[in-house]
Amino acid sequence: GENVEQHPSTLSVQEGDSAVIKCTYSDSASNYFPWYKQELGKRPQLIIDIRSNVGEKKDQRIAVTLNKTAKHFSLHITETQPEDSAVYFCAGSTGNQFYFGTGTSLTVIP
Amino acid sequence: DAGVIQSPRHEVTEMGQEVTLRCKPISGHNSLFWYRQTMMRGLELLIYFNNNVPIDDSGMPEDRFSAKMPNASFSTLKIQPSEPRDSAVYFCASSPDETQYFGPGTRLLVL
Repeated sequence: GENVEQHPSTLSVQEGDSAVIKCTYSDSASNYFPWYKQELGKRPQLIIDIRSNVGEKKDQRIAVTLNKTAKHFSLHITETQPEDSAVYFCAGSTGNQFYFGTGTSLTVIP
Repeated sequence: DAGVIQSPRHEVTEMGQEVTLRCKPISGHNSLFWYRQTMMRGLELLIYFNNNVPIDDSGMPEDRFSAKMPNASFSTLKIQPSEPRDSAVYFCASSPDETQYFGPGTRLLVL
């Protein structure tokens, strides 16, 4: 089955700086890559996703890039704010089933 | 839409007791997923249903766990008998296609 690895496990940045989280996947058949944000004590919430026919997608301060050849995808958050502090999960999917990464705990220092 | 609804939100029980977690997916979604989240193991898929039929239950840890989806608007996850190591947050998620929408979770503590 699919194996999704996520790095780093923890990340601290100064407010206003950029944050980058990287994930790799093993199954070349994976074609959908969502990113979820989970605040403390809350549910995971979808923040952005990308499909395998697209190389990059942007939504305001958040962007995701996908390199199918290298089987990796990344989340980029620019101009970070304290409210961006949370755990971020990437996932790969070949259909209905998601394979989640282990999460990145992002702390934005005011 | 109220989103995915889970009950109870918190459950404290004693080892050996039966626990039943409930989920109401978003109307019109044809897939439903049960996850378990712990600090040690992260977010684990336990089982998922498509059109009320269990598709993959390979994540169910052992026979003490069972899940049902008797109709498109209701699913249960049952643990019998419960053990302290079952303590976790259990999430239900539903999906109309690829995107999954999570419920608020049930925080289970088994003493």
